[in-house]
Amino acid sequence: AQSVTQLGSHVSVSEGALVLLRCNYSSSVPPYLFWYVQYPNQGLQLLLKYTSAATLVKGINGFEAEFKKSETSFHLTKPSAHMSDAAEYFCAVSESKAGNMLTFGGGTRLMVKP
Amino acid sequence: KAGVTQTPRYLIKTRGQQVTLSCSPISGHRSVSWYQQTPGQGLQFLFEYFSETQRNKGNFPGRFSGRQFSNSRSEMNVSTLELGDSALYLCASSTRGSTDTQYFGPGTRLTVL
Repeated sequence: AQSVTQLGSHVSVSEGALVLLRCNYSSSVPPYLFWYVQYPNQGLQLLLKYTSAATLVKGINGFEAEFKKSETSFHLTKPSAHMSDAAEYFCAVSESKAGNMLTFGGGTRLMVKP
Repeated sequence: KAGVTQTPRYLIKTRGQQVTLSCSPISGHRSVSWYQQTPGQGLQFLFEYFSETQRNKGNFPGRFSGRQFSNSRSEMNVSTLELGDSALYLCASSTRGSTDTQYFGPGTRLTVL
């Protein structure tokens, strides 16, 4: 069985500061990992995904994540937060590259202070 | 290219009623997945349909069912609604290819009174 744990249901940063959202996974098979963002009253938008190619994955809007097998982690980072980054972020794992049958973490709400 | 569309966007029902939600995938996408999002349980996978066949199913009671039509549009049905069924129901579509990505719709907000 697969599972995802996101540490910190709420994270607050100042505009311009580093964003770090934590995600740890558990999987009995090589995982495919995803980060999604959800803005209020909207669906989920894919930020990036790890599909066993490069361990450092670059996504949209300046986000990136590094797959660390030894730590079973896939933390999301962005060097400089922008007000528009305020949203809820979800880490997810799947047994398929396409991301069918996603198992999601509990989500982290990112707040950006001016 | 139009995105995933879900109708209706908002719905209010009472306990015991049944409801049908609709999802139209992106043109060319033959896989449609459904997810339930609640404050308490988070995002949970309901089921996936591909080429009119249910391919995968999450851990939900039989009151939750779905189907897919030949044009890849999908519907999900919840019978005998309970208060706990109040949620945002999200639909996602993809081609199901190994390099593909799932695209999510805006969701249907169901409130059960």
